[in-house]
Formats: sequence, C-alpha cells, structure tokens
Amino acid sequence: AQSVTQLDSQVPVFEEAPVELRCNYSSSVSVYLFWYVQYPNQGLQLLLKYLSGSTLVKGINGFEAEFNKSQTSFHLRKPSVHISDTAEYFCAVSDREPNAGKSTFGDGTTLTVKP
Amino acid sequence: GAVVSQHPSWVICKSGTSVKIECRSLDFQATTMFWYRQFPKQSLMLMATSNEGSKATYEQGVEKDKFLINHASLTLSTLTVTSAHPEDSSFYICSATAGTDNSPLHFGNGTRLTVT
Repeated sequence: AQSVTQLDSQVPVFEEAPVELRCNYSSSVSVYLFWYVQYPNQGLQLLLKYLSGSTLVKGINGFEAEFNKSQTSFHLRKPSVHISDTAEYFCAVSDREPNAGKSTFGDGTTLTVKP
Repeated sequence: GAVVSQHPSWVICKSGTSVKIECRSLDFQATTMFWYRQFPKQSLMLMATSNEGSKATYEQGVEKDKFLINHASLTLSTLTVTSAHPEDSSFYICSATAGTDNSPLHFGNGTRLTVT
C-alpha cells in the first residue's frame, strides 16, 4: 500500500519569494513520484516526475523537486514565484507500472501568491 | 502535445436523470483511461480503470451500476452517471495513457456535475 502526505494544506507567499511545497510518501516498493498543478475547474497538469536517475528533477514553469529516499520525501520548490503560480498542487506516488493512472494522490496544497 | 478532451465541462441535471460524460484522446491512442472524482478542496479519488474493448475495473466502494463506463474505441471513453442524485454532484476528471512503459498520463479538464 502507498500513501502520500502533503504537509501543508495552504501556503501563502509573496510574489518573487521562494516557495517549498512538502510531500512525504510511504511505499513498500520502488515508486514513481509526480507533482501536478490544478487550476480552478481544470484537470491536472504534470509539473515534473521522478522515475529513476538523478534525484533532482526539473519541471515546467521553473519548478524542481528533489527525491530523498532516506527521508521518503519529494518536496517541490521554486526560487521565485509569480502570481500565475497560484493554484492547487498535488503530489502523487505510483508503483512501478507502465503508467501513473492508479497513482495515490495527496490531499493537495493551495499555493496563493500575493502581490 | 497530447490532448485529452472532456465534454461537457459542466452540466446541471435533475435528480433521477442520467448524464453522460465523454473523454477523448485527440492525438494518441489511449489504451487505458481512468476516471476520478474530486470533491471540493480534496484530492482525486480513482473510480475506475477503463481498458479499450474490455470491462472497466472499479475501485472498492464505487457502484458499477450507477457509474457506467464504456471504452469502445482507442480514443473514447464515456462515464454515465445513472439516476443521478444530489450527492453525485462533484467534479469528474478523466485521464488517458497510451499504456507503454513510461508513457505519460494526460488529464482532461474535468466536468462539473450539479444534480438538483
């Protein structure tokens, strides 16, 4: 069984400040890890994913995440946020299947970027 | 890039009626599609996995007879909410994948269902 914990339900931050959205997971097997962004009344858009290899993963829109196996974490970071980054962010974990459709999703973190 | 189109984007229906939601992969063959339900301020909950040409696999607790899923072609899956009730009001999202190793998952934009 897998589980995902997003440690912060809401993260308010000022524009151009750095941000970190925290995600911890548990799994008995090796995993794929994902971060998605969801804008209001829309589906999810993949920001980045970790499958294997380098633990630092770079994604779209200037986001990056670091896989830490010992701490079972996959925190999402951006050095300088924009107003347009305001959205809901979901961390997800999947076992090593060909696809990620059966991922377990975290409860989400609402990022609010203030001017 | 790959696009998944979900239609309608929102629908309001009366209690007791049925509603069909379509999920189409526009530029790739989706061997597998997934249907999720999302309550306000909550995460996605997988309802069922749909493979082209076979019966859908439902997650525990999801009523098969209430949420009918059909995946008749490699580009189309439909979710029909039968005899809808107000508690079925929710945001329904589909996703699709070509199903090969490491193939990406693409999400539709969701359907907001309101049952009055």
